[in-house]
Amino acid sequence: RKEVEQDPGPFNVPEGATVAFNCTYSNSASQSFFWYRQDCRKEPKLLMSVYSSGNEDGRFTAQLNRASQYISLLIRDSKLSDSATYLCVVNNQGGKLIFGQGTELSVKP
Amino acid sequence: GAGVSQSPSNKVTEKGKDVELRCDPISGHTALYWYRQSLGQGLEFLIYFQGNSAPDKSGLPSDRFSAERTGGSVSTLTIQRTQQEDSAVYLCASSFTSLVEQFFGPGTRLTVL
Repeated sequence: RKEVEQDPGPFNVPEGATVAFNCTYSNSASQSFFWYRQDCRKEPKLLMSVYSSGNEDGRFTAQLNRASQYISLLIRDSKLSDSATYLCVVNNQGGKLIFGQGTELSVKP
Repeated sequence: GAGVSQSPSNKVTEKGKDVELRCDPISGHTALYWYRQSLGQGLEFLIYFQGNSAPDKSGLPSDRFSAERTGGSVSTLTIQRTQQEDSAVYLCASSFTSLVEQFFGPGTRLTVL
């Protein structure tokens, strides 16, 4: 079983749609959580950290459920520019990040 | 301010040659990480430096891979006797401390012929 598992993609949605990504992690001792986005042939860029209380940044909302070891990302009113691969990322042991395989999102006009 | 920089951006080498990849972290960041991403694959952790502590080398795939961090800043990843399966994008990241968000450089695309 992979340490971090994400929804298989790709997700193809129209502009303005709401889309949700899910992620589960296997290590209950995991300490910090992030969503990164990666555009084609570019480096990953931090989208947002994920806090236990849930957090929102504009159209993006992240939630963490430690009991279920589950992380989610909701994108509202999706834009063409949201098209990218979204990476669920977990920090277990004070340093190395464990990346999910990523979910590809394609927003169409 | 300046982000993480890496050089070279692209490197093509022949099987069996040694290569050195360089990373300049964000100024003031004490933690530095190396990852690699093979075509169509997820990111794979290689090695992690935190301050003056011994590095976490648990992700290095073989003893042909090594890394140094001099003066707590610049890091060099060395791959000896390169093999075709070493072809990948090698990404460096840095963070202010461990457990907080990491910022990635643009990567070095390594191709071993």
